[in-house]
Amino acid sequence: SYVLTQPPSVSVAPGMTAKITCGGDDIGSYSVHWYQQRPGQAPLLVVYDDMDRPSGIPERFSGSNSGNTATLTISRVEAGDEADYYCQVWDSRGDHFVFGPGTQVTV
Amino acid sequence: QVQLVESGGGVVQPGTSLRLSCAASGFTFSTFDMHWVRQAPGKGLEWVAVIWYDGSYQYYADSVKGRLTVSRDNSRNTLYLQLNSLRVEDTAVYYCARDPRAQHLDLWGRGTPLTVSS
Repeated sequence: SYVLTQPPSVSVAPGMTAKITCGGDDIGSYSVHWYQQRPGQAPLLVVYDDMDRPSGIPERFSGSNSGNTATLTISRVEAGDEADYYCQVWDSRGDHFVFGPGTQVTV
Repeated sequence: QVQLVESGGGVVQPGTSLRLSCAASGFTFSTFDMHWVRQAPGKGLEWVAVIWYDGSYQYYADSVKGRLTVSRDNSRNTLYLQLNSLRVEDTAVYYCARDPRAQHLDLWGRGTPLTVSS
């Protein structure tokens, strides 16, 4: 089955830029989606289809995807961005959703 | 108000069965695929199952295939997850989530916790 990799943690100072990577074999051929999960809360979709933002998600959240790496970028990081972030793809070969292991972002 | 509300979790013994429910409101439930995702204590998200908008297809994670069954009642705007032969490793918060038939989850419930313990 398809496997996604993420760094366990990323630390960033307020106002700076955080980059969270999601690795997978030829992930550039998949649509990648990103979720934010704050402590004690349900996940929230922040980027879908590699780079699109749902309504209400700040422009500070952006995404890219090419080759074997997809990236979620959070610009001008705020304290409220502290959360776990998960990437996700649909593996059509097995008809499965696949989540990455998650990255804890510390501000 | 657009929302999903899960219910049915609790504390159960290994080997027993349980049915979780997810009540949808504020949107046309019958036009969305629906998923169950679970999260064990201190762990990441684990996809469990999906059911198509019309109930015609269901797909499951290999870890639960044969023990869990997803179903829906579009007339009641409700999603279900039947869990049989429960194991300690099924202990998790179970979330239902909406999929606009685009392979991502744009609305999540708050989750219902399930503990399997003797």
